[in-house]
Amino acid sequence: DGGITQSPKYLFRKEGQNVTLSCEQNLNHDAMYWYRQDPGQGLRLIYYSQIVNDFQKGDIAEGYSVSREKKESFPLTVTSAQKNPTAFYLCASHDRVGVGGNEQFFGPGTRLTVL
Amino acid sequence: AQSVTQPDIHITVSEGASLELRCNYSYGATPYLFWYVQSPGQGLQLLLKYFSGDTLVQGIKGFEAEFKRSQSSFNLRKPSVHWSDAAEYFCAVGDNFNKFYFGSGTKLNVKP
Repeated sequence: DGGITQSPKYLFRKEGQNVTLSCEQNLNHDAMYWYRQDPGQGLRLIYYSQIVNDFQKGDIAEGYSVSREKKESFPLTVTSAQKNPTAFYLCASHDRVGVGGNEQFFGPGTRLTVL
Repeated sequence: AQSVTQPDIHITVSEGASLELRCNYSYGATPYLFWYVQSPGQGLQLLLKYFSGDTLVQGIKGFEAEFKRSQSSFNLRKPSVHWSDAAEYFCAVGDNFNKFYFGSGTKLNVKP
């Protein structure tokens, strides 16, 4: 079955530590996205990538970093510079063929808690 | 700038009653419109989408939505709600640059 996997499902981190969230897709999609979800705020875009070895900042990129070395993988690192990292993180992918007319596919999410 | 507004944060309906969730968008060109549903602690699942053609679109689980360009709206409807429909619903707009903009969501509670 094609889809998106995120790991781990729950992640705990001490303040001052960097942590990396995994996102893998086998849908052969060019575009991948990271969103942060907080109660009552919907989804806010952190970073997105439309092709391997290229990515762009979203609306709330400060304190986060990404890489896109392979088409199927788009890991997100939450650095110690992120002031309030406790949130639910969602990864998504999108088939760029047809541009925005195609929907995004979402992973199951990772809940990050900073202790 | 593109934006999506879902004016209702919480809605409670009785099981078997009809449902309408509101969505208004701001976008300069022809929008690509989506409704997603999210169960607690899960990812988002697509309910339906509109990008051209018939302005009334049918989706999964008995949902439908109507695109009204004059009102910049894309409201989601269901004639008879089931208890399993309790979830959070998100409206989204896609642009021509592969970016997507989400509303803040509407949480649906279903009374037995």
